[in-house]
Amino acid sequence: RKEVEQDPGPFNVPEGATVAFNCTYSNSASQSFFWYRQDCRKEPKLLMSVYSSGNEDGRFTAQLNRASQYISLLIRDSKLSDSATYLCVVNKGTGRRALTFGSGTRLQVQP
Amino acid sequence: NAGVTQTPKFQVLKTGQSMTLQCAQDMNHNSMYWYRQDPGMGLRLIYYSASEGTTDKGEVPNGYNVSRLNKREFSLRLESAAPSQTSVYFCASSEARGSNSPLHFGNGTRLTVT
Repeated sequence: RKEVEQDPGPFNVPEGATVAFNCTYSNSASQSFFWYRQDCRKEPKLLMSVYSSGNEDGRFTAQLNRASQYISLLIRDSKLSDSATYLCVVNKGTGRRALTFGSGTRLQVQP
Repeated sequence: NAGVTQTPKFQVLKTGQSMTLQCAQDMNHNSMYWYRQDPGMGLRLIYYSASEGTTDKGEVPNGYNVSRLNKREFSLRLESAAPSQTSVYFCASSEARGSNSPLHFGNGTRLTVT
């Protein structure tokens, strides 16, 4: 089983739709969690950190479920510019070697 | 403000050739990293440097060497390229040593080894 698993998609949604991605992680000792966004043939960029109580940034909401070991990303009112691959990143300890990237979920927002 | 700059953007090598990927950051970050990204897999850490003068192996260090030349620059060397090293390579930097500070990535180097 992979340490961090994501549905690769693609998720094809119309503009204005709400879409959610999940990411499961295998190490129950994981301590911190992030979502990165990667546009086609570009570098990843931090979208948001995921806090235990859940957090929101504009149209984006991140949730953590420690009991079931998954994090989620909800995008409301999807825009064409949201089309990208969303990478789930999990930190299972201290130090950079502890960061594990998921392989990403591709989102395509259609007009 | 350039952020993290990687060169070259593209490279084709024959098996056995060597090359160095260059990376420089202008954000005065302490920590720098080299990742590779392959289809269907997440980014995997090759080497990292928590601070100037130190380097450590990551998840997939075999076949690579690194040099932290100064605080700004962190290079990755392939001494004898193999087809399995065909990948997209990303350099990244972060302000602090801890894993919670955001990673800032360069534009990537697309390497093909034939």
